[in-house]
Amino acid sequence: AQSVTQLDSHVSVSEGTPVLLRCNYSSSYSPSLFWYVQHPNKGLQLLLKYTSAATLVKGINGFEAEFKKSETSFHLTKPSAHMSDAAEYFCVVMNSGGYQKVTFGTGTKLQVIP
Amino acid sequence: DGGITQSPKYLFRKEGQNVTLSCEQNLNHDAMYWYRQDPGQGLRLIYYSQIVNDFQKGDIAEGYSVSREKKESFPLTVTSAQKNPTAFYLCASRFDRGNTIYFGEGSWLTVV
Repeated sequence: AQSVTQLDSHVSVSEGTPVLLRCNYSSSYSPSLFWYVQHPNKGLQLLLKYTSAATLVKGINGFEAEFKKSETSFHLTKPSAHMSDAAEYFCVVMNSGGYQKVTFGTGTKLQVIP
Repeated sequence: DGGITQSPKYLFRKEGQNVTLSCEQNLNHDAMYWYRQDPGQGLRLIYYSQIVNDFQKGDIAEGYSVSREKKESFPLTVTSAQKNPTAFYLCASRFDRGNTIYFGEGSWLTVV
């Protein structure tokens, strides 16, 4: 079975402080993992993806994530939050089997306090 | 510019009516998807299509129908059988062996 768990539904940080959004996954196959961001009333935009190359993945807008197989985690981080980072973030897993099943997490809403 | 275009952005439906949401992509992607998103919730898969003239039900297909007559088009019809259709609908696509899903800007459907 394949699943994604985003451990926090809401995260609140002050502007200029680090961001940590947590994601754990399970997959029977070697997975590809993604983080997407969604601003209000908009579609989802790809932040970064892991596809079995380097375990530390850098994305857009200063975000990065580290794939840790032993912990089945793919947490999203950013050293310093900006007001424009306030949005909802989704962790996504896709298996590499014959049928590429895609599973979305339930999302984490990031609030940035000035 | 390549991308996925959803229309209309906002749509109101009366009880008992069918409505169709349009999704067009010019990315030459093989697979296309429809997701439903309710406030404060994640995305749920309604239907997906891997190739033209073929589509499969997702997790919440009841009350919805789709067609895939052309590679670039994947319209979603919300029928009167869908009891709670008010939601944000997202269309997405990807290459058959690519692993990145690209999304449209979404359509809001409200039942009045």
